[in-house]
Amino acid sequence: NAGVTQTPKFQVLKTGQSMTLQCAQDMNHEYMSWYRQDPGMGLRLIHYSVGAGITDQGEVPNGYNVSRSTTEDFPLRLLSAAPSQTSVYFCASSHGTAFEAFFGQGTRLTVV
Amino acid sequence: AQTVTQSQPEMSVQEAETVTLSCTYDTSESDYYLFWYKQPPSRQMILVIRQEAYKQQNATENRFSVNFQKAAKSFSLKISDSQLGDAAMYFCASRELQSNFGNEKLTFGTGTRLTIIP
Repeated sequence: NAGVTQTPKFQVLKTGQSMTLQCAQDMNHEYMSWYRQDPGMGLRLIHYSVGAGITDQGEVPNGYNVSRSTTEDFPLRLLSAAPSQTSVYFCASSHGTAFEAFFGQGTRLTVV
Repeated sequence: AQTVTQSQPEMSVQEAETVTLSCTYDTSESDYYLFWYKQPPSRQMILVIRQEAYKQQNATENRFSVNFQKAAKSFSLKISDSQLGDAAMYFCASRELQSNFGNEKLTFGTGTRLTIIP
């Protein structure tokens, strides 16, 4: 039982490049979400999903896309990386609203 | 919309002493959950404690306990017998239970960095 697995742990991109952050969970959780963490701002929600085929925008969705084709996977795509997207990204999953979220180990992304 | 406020960016405590981290929140819902997460230098987010809003009894987990004041919308974390391993960033978070399916997000405060003085 691996929990929530995020890859990669570190990534450096050039401005304009695209990439996908991978997230997988093996707990059969319905809810999955992506957050970004910036100094002094806590964690802010980018996108979330309440089940396969269902996604919605969070607080800071611009510049990011998501899809949820399976219960297990919830990748986050950066379409054209910008320096403002330099951040630490976390994927999380939970069984339901009443339950705590389990987090991946985070991805530190630097856009130069 | 729910908001979470942590007014102490940094705190420090002597090893073996007790420290309290503050958190206030605002929500229009009557049903919600509150959480404290710990983030050590490893960056991993670790659940410390959870409180259901409908429960009057304060949650406790070993050396960690909360003071939940629902009317005041306050949710402070008390760490007793502080240990070096408690040094971390601590985040307060809230999660509303809404009748409209689909808005299940956690809202986080900006965090409090706790330093343990040996």
